[in-house]
Amino acid sequence: DAGVIQSPRHEVTEMGQEVTLRCKPISGHNSLFWYRQTMMRGLELLIYFNNNVPIDDSGMPEDRFSAKMPNASFSTLKIQPSEPRDSAVYFCASKTSGGAVTGELFFGEGSRLTVL
Amino acid sequence: SQELEQSPQSLIVQEGKNLTINCTSSKTLYGLYWYKQKYGEGLIFLMMLQKGGEEKSHEKITAKLDEKKQQSSLHITASQPSHAGIYLCGAVGGSGYALNFGKGTSLLVTP
Repeated sequence: DAGVIQSPRHEVTEMGQEVTLRCKPISGHNSLFWYRQTMMRGLELLIYFNNNVPIDDSGMPEDRFSAKMPNASFSTLKIQPSEPRDSAVYFCASKTSGGAVTGELFFGEGSRLTVL
Repeated sequence: SQELEQSPQSLIVQEGKNLTINCTSSKTLYGLYWYKQKYGEGLIFLMMLQKGGEEKSHEKITAKLDEKKQQSSLHITASQPSHAGIYLCGAVGGSGYALNFGKGTSLLVTP
């Protein structure tokens, strides 16, 4: 299996620009998570989807952030407009069970975002 | 919300030495996950502990769960340069669906 695939791996943009990060979960996995990692705050959960439906978006920082999952094989995380404090590594993860976490979360390689 | 505190924050050990990383939860643990992250890469699952007193091993890495203390420890025996990276503990959050993570322990193994 190819694993969780994220793109782009690196993104450098200027403040105010729109940023779109993409994720392809492992085939057959019905739960998808977006996390953000920074030195100061560590790894934070942004949003969780189950069967393409957003279940918990309480971690989304503010209205500038939005996430979609139009089908089981694709999700996007969009930031509009971007700000320098959004600079971080954004991870996508997926797993098989839609219920309580009992198994392994599979992580992508991450998208490193730098907002100038 | 549940918070996970890891100690130490960073560690430098000489190759061949043993080391221990601790993870303490602010709330009752219903499962504890250990992941390793190589610099600039994603997280790799190491092991999951679910029961108090449970102990698991993977190669030279052993993890234990102490539910009463709301704590888990990860022990590496005879460390090697390949063990270098960031070790993160994760636990099921209030939602029951996702993992909350500690800030990680950065490990460097010197020759």
